Amino acid sequence: QSALTQPASVSGSPGQSITISCTGTSSDIGAYNYVSWYQQHPGKAPKLIIYDVTKRPSGVSNRFSGSKSVNTASLTISGLQAEDESDYYCSSYTTSSTLVFGGGTKLTV
Amino acid sequence: QVQLQQSGPGLVKPSETLSLTCVVSGYSISSGYYWGWVRQPPGKGLEWIGTIYHTGSTSYNPSLESRLTISVDTSKNQFSLKLSSVTAADTAVYYCARGRMDFDYWGQGTLVTVSS
Repeated sequence: QSALTQPASVSGSPGQSITISCTGTSSDIGAYNYVSWYQQHPGKAPKLIIYDVTKRPSGVSNRFSGSKSVNTASLTISGLQAEDESDYYCSSYTTSSTLVFGGGTKLTV
Repeated sequence: QVQLQQSGPGLVKPSETLSLTCVVSGYSISSGYYWGWVRQPPGKGLEWIGTIYHTGSTSYNPSLESRLTISVDTSKNQFSLKLSSVTAADTAVYYCARGRMDFDYWGQGTLVTVSS
């Protein structure tokens, strides 16, 4: 299985909004609404911030939102804050009953 | 509060078997949910290893399947990972986590270095 495609890096200024894309295929992102997003700070375990394409776990800021169109999912962070500077990973369930991650995107604020 | 505590050696010799255990507290594995493993080579991205249900049903990453065994022990409320015939390419931080389509609780991570 091939990794989902994410931009290596994105940047934004405090208060701005940014969007990170995650491109897959009809066998993963396009097949189900099981796209998730994780935030990972250096030396820490990943933290789930979006699941089932658009849902936020309890306690996650509503500045984080997710969407999907065909084979591409997107994570939007609005009102950027310094603490949002981190690595972000997407993942998708696949038609082979496996999970695949994206290569990760480094966000610089 | 669900907590996952990992244990296992941080150094494994090439060609040997990597073994890690994840003890779950705050939730009974027998109650449901899938449980999985994810790894991250130094400076690189996340890679899904596999998942297991409390019944013992498993799903593995095809690229690791021939060397991989994930098992569950409901009596000890824990699950385990065994990866055989390791090479330097298996050097990574290994995480255990709860979930199948997404992982909502994670262990602290264990850096496993494959070296003689």
